[in-house]
Amino acid sequence: EAGVVQSPRYKIIEKKQPVAFWCNPISGHNTLYWYRQNLGQGPELLIRYENEEAVDDSQLPKDRFSAERLKGVDSTLKIQPAELGDSAVYLCASSFVGGFTEAFFGQGTRLTVV
Amino acid sequence: GDSVTQMEGPVTLSEEAFLTINCTYTATGYPSLFWYVQYPGEGLQLLLKATKADDKGSNKGFEATYRKETTSFHLEKGSVQVSDSAVYFCALRNTGNQFYFGTGTSLTVIP
Repeated sequence: EAGVVQSPRYKIIEKKQPVAFWCNPISGHNTLYWYRQNLGQGPELLIRYENEEAVDDSQLPKDRFSAERLKGVDSTLKIQPAELGDSAVYLCASSFVGGFTEAFFGQGTRLTVV
Repeated sequence: GDSVTQMEGPVTLSEEAFLTINCTYTATGYPSLFWYVQYPGEGLQLLLKATKADDKGSNKGFEATYRKETTSFHLEKGSVQVSDSAVYFCALRNTGNQFYFGTGTSLTVIP
């Protein structure tokens, strides 16, 4: 069974440019998470989807970040415009809603803003 | 709100030494508890989990017991190997389907 797939793995952009990350979760997982991980820190939630609905986006900087989850499957996270402080690893994870199961993580996208 | 606090690193051990990484949590209700491991340049991988009080999760020689009375989930391994060098994250999943992660503990095992 394929795991959570993210692309690209690495991205280097100049500040003020836009950037987008893509995530394909594990088949059948109805919950999808986007996390940001700064160097030496744990993952911090940006947004959580249950099916197509964003049920927790309180930590998403909505002035520059946006996300969508089409048909409750794939998801895209966008930053426009990027700032130097956005340099981090962006992780996508998925899980079944409810119960006590773990979240499965993709390999992440390392974003460097110069 | 819910949170996870874990022992800060970095931790450096000699091969075959005993490992303990402390983790405590704050949560309403009865969360599930997890340890994840992250190797350089990779995402987080589940190492072990426990879903109710007194459960012991184990995998690859690592163990952790869900202690409700002390709100703890300490990670232990009796004899570490060089290949165990990684960053370890303690996490909880609450009844609201939210995950909370600790800040991570970097482990380096030297031959």
